[in-house]
Amino acid sequence: DTAVSQTPKYLVTQMGNDKSIKCEQNLGHDTMYWYKQDSKKFLKIMFSYNNKELIINETVPNRFSPKSPDKAHLNLHINSLELGDSAVYFCASSQVSGQGDTQYFGPGTRLTVL
Amino acid sequence: DAKTTQPPSMDCAEGRAANLPCNHSTISGNEYVYWYRQIHSQGPQYIIHGLKNNETNEMASLIITEDRKSSTLILPHATLRDTAVYYCIVRAGFNKFYFGSGTKLNVKP
Repeated sequence: DTAVSQTPKYLVTQMGNDKSIKCEQNLGHDTMYWYKQDSKKFLKIMFSYNNKELIINETVPNRFSPKSPDKAHLNLHINSLELGDSAVYFCASSQVSGQGDTQYFGPGTRLTVL
Repeated sequence: DAKTTQPPSMDCAEGRAANLPCNHSTISGNEYVYWYRQIHSQGPQYIIHGLKNNETNEMASLIITEDRKSSTLILPHATLRDTAVYYCIVRAGFNKFYFGSGTKLNVKP
């Protein structure tokens, strides 16, 4: 069973288009995240949702909008795609507890904007 | 934003122990040290974490110095499949993980 899954795995699109990436976790976790890994391989957090509420919103263009229909899903919508949005996007989930919150990552979605 | 310092790369012979160091001199008393690894462009994989005691699981051991300013991840018997980028992370604030540049571990036959 896949713990954290993302679709699609690859996404190639033209500048100016709008696209979505979906994420689902079957771990029963209460917190989900989106990370971006650019060409230099730096992994940066973008958003975090806890029980469907946005709790982390890093400095990200407002063209990016996360949506959490329920605790198991966190989708990422990107409007008016730009060349600089090309990257690998990772979804993650965790269950916050007193012993820290181990995050489990999905396989990633490689977005290429032409 | 990263609060950790790691060597950019290390080599290890297959079958030998790999010892990956990490400095986190500004760590706070309630912050955990986490280790993740990323193989090629796969999603980061959790390895181990600890607060102040040494920890061991089926993948690795984590040794944290008494002053908590540094730690070492130990892979007891490295294999070629352990070749990856290893990230040492200090949990900085609620739910925020800051990934630095990590250590590229090359396991050689």
